[in-house]
Amino acid sequence: DSGVTQTPKHLITATGQRVTLRCSPRSGDLSVYWYQQSLDQGLQFLIHYYNGEERAKGNILERFSAQQFPDLHSELNLSSLELGDSALYFCASSDRPGVEKLFFGSGTQLSVL
Amino acid sequence: GQNIDQPTEMTATEGAIVQINCTYQTSGFNGLFWYQQHAGEAPTFLSYNVLDGLEEKGRFSSFLSRSKGYSYLLLKELQMKDSASYLCAALDSNYQLIWGAGTKLIIKP
Repeated sequence: DSGVTQTPKHLITATGQRVTLRCSPRSGDLSVYWYQQSLDQGLQFLIHYYNGEERAKGNILERFSAQQFPDLHSELNLSSLELGDSALYFCASSDRPGVEKLFFGSGTQLSVL
Repeated sequence: GQNIDQPTEMTATEGAIVQINCTYQTSGFNGLFWYQQHAGEAPTFLSYNVLDGLEEKGRFSSFLSRSKGYSYLLLKELQMKDSASYLCAALDSNYQLIWGAGTKLIIKP
């Protein structure tokens, strides 16, 4: 158990819908990262927050947004969903924005039908 | 641009040794990570190298050559449970992780 909690574990929805994925980092970790992993693909970096502030953006679509709250949990919002958004979404945390030993949550499997 | 290259798939025999290579090109360099990911599961940290040389940790070792932009992960005494994808990731000058696509390692009895 990495200590990073992601909910829900599975999400099935329809095209055009909006969903929210939630992540609670390890106790004391200030950094939260979001990644997308499509079937048999590598990890695609979406966005990084550190202590409530956005630190870096990767290949995140405009339909996607995220935020980190004062209690350090984070939410990833995906809207106007398309079939191609079906993927495993991972959240990871670390205790600082420097050396990046990341602890990953178990992921949310999103299926868009 | 920034790039990480590693083989897509490798096959090895139980009990043998396998070396997974990774080459990187990044804007600056602050270290090289290896992660293990079993199918459908989260990646887990294996190793971190920032200085040249070999770091050994049980059955797994990781090597780095900064001048060559090259790293490898060496797995000894392979077990069936080592069947997984192995992800190479380099930390650039902005301390952002650049990920490779992963090497799927298949272990045969």
